[in-house]
Amino acid sequence: AQSVTQLDSQVPVFEEAPVELRCNYSSSVSVYLFWYVQYPNQGLQLLLKYLSGSTLVKGINGFEAEFNKSQTSFHLRKPSVHISDTAEYFCAVSDPLNTDKLIFGTGTRLQVFP
Amino acid sequence: DTGVSQNPRHKITKRGQNVTFRCDPISEHNRLYWYRQTLGQGPEFLTYFQNEAQLEKSRLLSDRFSAERPKGSFSTLEIQRTEQGDSAMYLCASSLRDGGDYGYTFGSGTRLTVV
Repeated sequence: AQSVTQLDSQVPVFEEAPVELRCNYSSSVSVYLFWYVQYPNQGLQLLLKYLSGSTLVKGINGFEAEFNKSQTSFHLRKPSVHISDTAEYFCAVSDPLNTDKLIFGTGTRLQVFP
Repeated sequence: DTGVSQNPRHKITKRGQNVTFRCDPISEHNRLYWYRQTLGQGPEFLTYFQNEAQLEKSRLLSDRFSAERPKGSFSTLEIQRTEQGDSAMYLCASSLRDGGDYGYTFGSGTRLTVV
């Protein structure tokens, strides 16, 4: 069965600094990987996804993630964060044979300070 | 297209009461999903529909929970005899299964508080 581990529950950074949010997954088969963002009292918004092809995936709001099969990781990065990036970020995995079900990590709270 | 709509946004109920939530998906999406998110956790899968057919239910969905999607449009999630442990955010999502285009559009959720 697939599982997702987000190693950091909270990541504090200053505005304009780079940030990396870590995500590791465990799966015995190839998977699809996703990052979602959740602003307070709102639903989840898809940032980016990896299905196949290039291991570097670019998403919305200047975020990107790199799929590393050997390390079973899918870390999210942004070179320069803004105050508005303060939110909860969730990594998720699905089984390509059953993409209708997503398994989420416990989330990482990104707090951007001025 | 106004996205996925969920109503109500907030619901406070007394323990033992029944509650019903509604989800209106994006009109052309044929798949609809329900997830539950408790404080400090990621969303957990509950169930999903393809059109009006309920294709999978999580073991998290006890006998007190029932979901329907009549006519393959909106969906309702009912919780009978609510318990304090049911307090959570209930998220609905929809998707168009179109070979390779995987991703879900989530609604803003219904926050349930059982007192």
